[in-house]
This record gives sequence, structure tokens and C-alpha cells, in this order.
Amino acid sequence: EAGVTQFPSHSVIEKGQTVTLRCDPISGHDNLYWYRRVMGKEIKFLLHFVKESKQDESGMPNNRFLAERTGGTYSTLKVQPAELEDSGVYFCASSLNQWGITDTQYFGPGTRLTVL
Amino acid sequence: QKEVEQNSGPLSVPEGAIASLNCTYSDRVSQSFFWYRQYSGKSPELIMSIYSNGDKEDGRFTAQLNKASQYVSLLIRDSQPSDSATYLCAVISRDDKIIFGKGTRLHILP
Repeated sequence: EAGVTQFPSHSVIEKGQTVTLRCDPISGHDNLYWYRRVMGKEIKFLLHFVKESKQDESGMPNNRFLAERTGGTYSTLKVQPAELEDSGVYFCASSLNQWGITDTQYFGPGTRLTVL
Repeated sequence: QKEVEQNSGPLSVPEGAIASLNCTYSDRVSQSFFWYRQYSGKSPELIMSIYSNGDKEDGRFTAQLNKASQYVSLLIRDSQPSDSATYLCAVISRDDKIIFGKGTRLHILP
């Protein structure tokens, strides 16, 4: 069974440009999460999808970030326009059931975003 | 006070010894606790979860939880070089979000 995949693995862009990150969860996993780790900081929650619906987007830093999950399958995270402080590693994770007691979140390899 | 605190390390442990990783959390109502292992450049991988006070053992790994002290630890027995990684402590917060610590770098000395 394929794990969570993310594309691209690395992205280097200039301030003001747009970048779109993609996450393909494990097939059949309704729950999809985005996280970000800024250098030197801990991994931070961004948002949570259940199928195509945003269950919780309270961790999104600002309105330059837009996440979508078309048809409840893959998800994209767009940053427009990118700022220097957006640099970091963006992780996606998926789980069959909602996190907590019952389920494991499987993480993707992450996308390392560098904004110059 | 940070929500989940870990010593960043590096923690160096001789091969075959016991590695002890510690984590404290600030939210007293937290109920679910996890340890993730992350190899350099790779994604976090769940290795242990614990929900009740006491010890939980899985192979060479033992998670220990003390809710009164708001403390969770991970013991790795018979440490192997392949255990060298960053270990992330994670806690489910009262609003159902997963909160990660910064992680502890563990280095097993051959």
C-alpha cells in the first residue's frame, strides 16, 4: 500500500511568487492534515480535512494560504504571495479516522519550501 | 511556558544502553500522548502512543506517563545505531489539536 506522498519535495521561490504544494493521502483515508515546521521550531498544525470539507483551519497563518481537497482525494496548499517567513517544511498526514485515541496519522515526506 | 517541552539534545547513548527521552506538557486535561521518530530528511513515524498512567511496552520501547506530573517519557532498551534520530513528543490538546514538541536528537554511539 502506497504511503502519503507529497510533491514537490523541494521548492525554491522568490518572495511574492506563488507556490502550490500537493499531498496525496493513503487511499481510503478520509482525514487529511497539513502541518508546517519552520526552522528551529516545532511542527505546527495548519488544518484538517474530513473528505472534501475543512474540519478545522484554525492553524492557517493568514489569508495568503489556501488549502483545497478536490473530491476528497488529494489536497493542495497554495501560498500566494509567498513571504520569507513561509520558508519551512510542509508535512501532510492522513488517517482513516480522526486522530486521538483510535487512529494513527501517517506522515508524508514533506515539502521543503524556501522563499528567497 | 511552551505547550510541549523537550530537551533538544543531542543525547548521546552508548550502543546497548538504555536511552531515556523526556517530555513535559502544560495542559493538564490532555489525554493522548504520542512519540514519533523522525530520521533526518524523512517524515515523522509514530512509534508509541499512551493514554493511561503507567508504563506501556512495545518491543524495546517503553512509554511512561505520569499525568499528575504532566510528564511522559520514552525508554529505548538495547539501543542500536539505527535508533539514532529525532524523537518528537506529541500531545492532543483540549481542542483536539496535536501539539508537537521540538524534538530530542538521539545519537547512539557504536
